[in-house]
Amino acid sequence: EADIYQTPRYLVIGTGKKITLECSQTMGHDKMYWYQQDPGMELHLIHYSYGVNSTEKGDLSSESTVSRIRTEHFPLTLESARPSHTSQYLCASSKDSPTRNTIYFGEGSWLTVV
Amino acid sequence: KQEVTQIPAALSVPEGENLVLNCSFTDSAIYNLQWFRQDPGKGLTSLLLIQSSQREQTSGRLNASLDKSSGRSTLYIAASQPGDSATYLCAVLNSGYSTLTFGKGTMLLVSP
Repeated sequence: EADIYQTPRYLVIGTGKKITLECSQTMGHDKMYWYQQDPGMELHLIHYSYGVNSTEKGDLSSESTVSRIRTEHFPLTLESARPSHTSQYLCASSKDSPTRNTIYFGEGSWLTVV
Repeated sequence: KQEVTQIPAALSVPEGENLVLNCSFTDSAIYNLQWFRQDPGKGLTSLLLIQSSQREQTSGRLNASLDKSSGRSTLYIAASQPGDSATYLCAVLNSGYSTLTFGKGTMLLVSP
């Protein structure tokens, strides 16, 4: 059973609002990721982190930002939400090892911007 | 840039059938390949992980194979059940083990 948690699970907010999606894991994993997935579409990596104070942009350009102040916590922030940000956001984590790096996903956060 | 392709995009079978899902990738310089299951509106659950040095992995009714040189993997599901209905995703961990590249998935429906 993976110990990675995302909140909120579902959120509807108005255009221009600031939103932070929370992600926490209790497995002590160094690497954490944020993926974006539109319904029926593939996952796209938007941010990842190798550890504390490390953040990198992923393959898909995103207006969101992330921070990694603690190992277990990797929040994603949208400063001014727009309808184009409506999507499912999936957080994941893994060990930083080439041989033991199964990636574990949270349940996802569904964001709707109206 | 790594690209992962999954065939078929969707599959519908009656309960009890054995089935094969296919995954191909363009860059063979990978560390491992993972198969995931995703239920509607949920996150992903890891099913099997195959290291680049391995040829196959088995878990219960699932068997995954890897042919790194040809850039192919298959997920074999034996004696399918309605509870197997989900989207199955293949992902490769690229050289440098920084990030995973996902395929678009195969949507499986097993009817009673």
